[in-house]
Amino acid sequence: QVQLVESGGGVVQPGGSLRLSCAASGFTFSDYGIHWLRQAPGKGLEWVSFIRYDGSNKYYADSVKGRFTISRDNSKNTLYLQMNSLRGEDTALYYCAKDLAAAGTSYCFDYWGQGTLVTVSS
Amino acid sequence: QSALTQPPSVSGSPGQSVTISCTGTSSDVGSYNRVSWYQQPPGTAPKLMIYEVSNRPSGVPDRFSGSKSGNTASLTISGLQAEDEADYYCSSYTSSSTPHVVFGGGTKLTVL
Repeated sequence: QVQLVESGGGVVQPGGSLRLSCAASGFTFSDYGIHWLRQAPGKGLEWVSFIRYDGSNKYYADSVKGRFTISRDNSKNTLYLQMNSLRGEDTALYYCAKDLAAAGTSYCFDYWGQGTLVTVSS
Repeated sequence: QSALTQPPSVSGSPGQSVTISCTGTSSDVGSYNRVSWYQQPPGTAPKLMIYEVSNRPSGVPDRFSGSKSGNTASLTISGLQAEDEADYYCSSYTSSSTPHVVFGGGTKLTVL
């Protein structure tokens, strides 16, 4: 069965950095685009970033552009999110989610991980 | 303020039907059939319930159905069950520059 497992969250000071990972299994990772989304405590869902199945295109929300970098290693079935210059408003549960469409971009998320919590606080 | 507008809460008794609306604009819901609905029980990750307006992924009960009219999409849950109590979020592709997907603020469904 499809599994996505995030890791790398934690407490970091404003201005600091973190690298999140998302280990995938149960499907052909290299065939699908993968997204990062986040949910601040008690709030709704926010799309953060997307990387195409082959890593050829990457997209970011305006709120993280220039600070976050998405990448993937298809040989390791793993997605990453490098987060720099972190701010208080980045505090959230970060989910990785598989795109519904193979070799495309549907912006529909058919499988989600359980999330990893990032807390930005001094 | 979310890009798509959902009612903050809805409620119904077991066996009844409820409908959750999701209102967008001609740049998103009104122009594309890329509306999805997600169910999120407390403390869990979201789960896809409806995609492309009205399609159900394998394993989702047929009590859940989706539709769209103009700039408003709707999720209807018939034969309410206690396990349906959760937050529900709609999303839509948007032709606006990034983000290419927008969400509603979520609707809390209470089964009385």
